[in-house]
Amino acid sequence: DQQVKQNSPSLSVQEGRISILNCDYTNSMFDYFLWYKKYPAEGPTFLISISSIKDKNEDGRFTVFLNKSAKHLSLHIVPSQPGDSAVYFCAASVGSARQLTFGSGTQLTVLP
Amino acid sequence: DAGVIQSPRHEVTEMGQEVTLRCKPISGHDYLFWYRQTMMRGLELLIYFNNNVPIDDSGMPEDRFSAKMPNASFSTLKIQPSEPRDSAVYFCASSKLAVTDTQYFGPGTRLTVL
Repeated sequence: DQQVKQNSPSLSVQEGRISILNCDYTNSMFDYFLWYKKYPAEGPTFLISISSIKDKNEDGRFTVFLNKSAKHLSLHIVPSQPGDSAVYFCAASVGSARQLTFGSGTQLTVLP
Repeated sequence: DAGVIQSPRHEVTEMGQEVTLRCKPISGHDYLFWYRQTMMRGLELLIYFNNNVPIDDSGMPEDRFSAKMPNASFSTLKIQPSEPRDSAVYFCASSKLAVTDTQYFGPGTRLTVL
């Protein structure tokens, strides 16, 4: 039973437009959330995170929104660029526990 | 810094053979994680170490899988005997203090078991 779900395996967006990647979770104990980006033949790299005490965190073109009541988070990329084309994983953790639970990933393709 | 180093990058083996994957974490990092990525299940945590001690191996699929960390700069993930369903990309990651610290991933080992 997946505790972190990314229901869209793929997403295509035109360059310059907004990309919205979604993630749902079932474990209400999760209190820290992260997004990782992965290019082919490379390991995932950390992108942005958010603590459950916040509902928004912004870093340049990337913004993560957290809706705790809906157990939903989303990553917004504005404006999208072709170099953003990658697989995006959301991940979650519980308190001081060390393990991350990852979603299955969403392949984002930004079309020039 | 060289980042997390994994070897080999690709491994092709036959069913029943022993496979050993290797990882060198970033120097000074206290945590080391082994993950497996498959199409069906995405990224799964297999096991993680803190200061060379295994903390949680509940993600290890079965007894055929074992992992060791004999010192702060080296870890192995062994599969014996290997099966075709073990085919996946195996990632090693390390972090300095806690999961709230960024985990740095290696490039992965693509394992194919025929």
